This record gives sequence, structure tokens and C-alpha cells, in this order.
Amino acid sequence: ILNVEQSPQSLHVQEGDSTNFTCSFPSSNFYALHWYRWETAKSPEALFVMTLNGDEKKKGRISATLNTKEGYSYLYIKGSQPEDSATYLCASSNQAGTALIFGKGTTLSVSS
Amino acid sequence: DSGVTQTPKHLITATGQRVTLRCSPRSGDLSVYWYQQSLDQGLQFLIQYYNGEERAKGNILERFSAQQFPDLHSELNLSSLELGDSALYFCASSAGTYREFGETQYFGPGTRLLVL
Repeated sequence: ILNVEQSPQSLHVQEGDSTNFTCSFPSSNFYALHWYRWETAKSPEALFVMTLNGDEKKKGRISATLNTKEGYSYLYIKGSQPEDSATYLCASSNQAGTALIFGKGTTLSVSS
Repeated sequence: DSGVTQTPKHLITATGQRVTLRCSPRSGDLSVYWYQQSLDQGLQFLIQYYNGEERAKGNILERFSAQQFPDLHSELNLSSLELGDSALYFCASSAGTYREFGETQYFGPGTRLLVL
């Protein structure tokens, strides 16, 4: 994998559903994996930064895991709420303090 | 609010013109990054400055240039504008100390450029 790829491209769920997205990234020269939440007309908001294989991070109902050996990360949202509707971006970097390579994002829509 | 500010919020201009986008990083952050979000594209890295010096270049066109000033704010200059330059331009900043494990980049609200 040469680029950061995210799937699915978009997702529509009902309030209360749990959901997850995938981010695939180059496993060679990997340093860190970032997840961002981007609401329309706002700035991308940092959710998690993970660097170690097997890392798991949690923030409220949102959690993420990291597998650096196979080059993927999962983002989970438990009990989706309408306010979770946003585009979720993942990005990788190959060293500290360098540019992020972004995927195109997964757009989540949660209906009440 | 990330603490990163960008001006202007919107910009409408004509082909062939030149514009300047401005970014003020979070207080204390030394690194500034510029990204471009075009239709159907992910965020594309353009250029990075660290403490006034250019540190890395990405997919930045020769018509584009940037600088970071002593007060650490940064400007992105776009010249000889073409229709395809219409995009959302983000600035991000990070501490630049490299002590933070996996240093977070904080994004500004973006400048939406429309070239007619």
C-alpha cells in the first residue's frame, strides 16, 4: 500500500448503532497514525495519535486500535449519536514532526 | 477552537491573479504546515516551516510559495491562479519539540479559495 486508504467512503447508520471504519497505511517507515474528526464548516479536530503496535485509545464512545505490522487501524463508535455525524480522517506520518499523509475520509451520517 | 487562526475565511478572485493566505499558529508552536483540500481529493500536504525555516515540501506548485516570519505566523502566496487552484487551504501547527510522542497537528478553520 503506497497511500493511506479509508473504507467505507460513506456510511449511514441509525442512532444507537455501533459502527467501525478502517484505515490502511504503508507499514514500512511508519511512525504515527492520526485520527481526526471533521465536521462541515469546521476545522479537523484531532481525536487520537497512536504509534505503537497494539495501541488502543479511547475517548468517550470512540475508540481506535492500531496494527503497525499489517498496516491498519480501526475506529469504533459505540452507540452512534446524530452529533457523531462527520467525516473521519486518518493520516500517517513516517517520522516525528513531519507532514501527514491523509486518506480521503469516511463520512458518517447518523439518523435519529 | 484549535488556537490556529487563518484569514481570510473566503476569497474569490479571477484567473491570473495573486493572493496571500495568512496563518497564525497556536501559541508556542514552532511548526506550521499548509494543506490543500480539492474536490474529491484528500488533504494534500503542500509545505512545512519550522521556526522560520522551510523543513519539507510536498505537492506544492512552483506558482505557490510560503514563508514563516519571526513571530511564527506564516503566509501562503498563490500566483498566476488557475481555475484548478480553487480549494480549501488549511494551515496546521504543532509544537515542533519532537518530545511529544506522535506530535499532534492542530488545524485552523481554513481559507476557501474560489478562482473564477
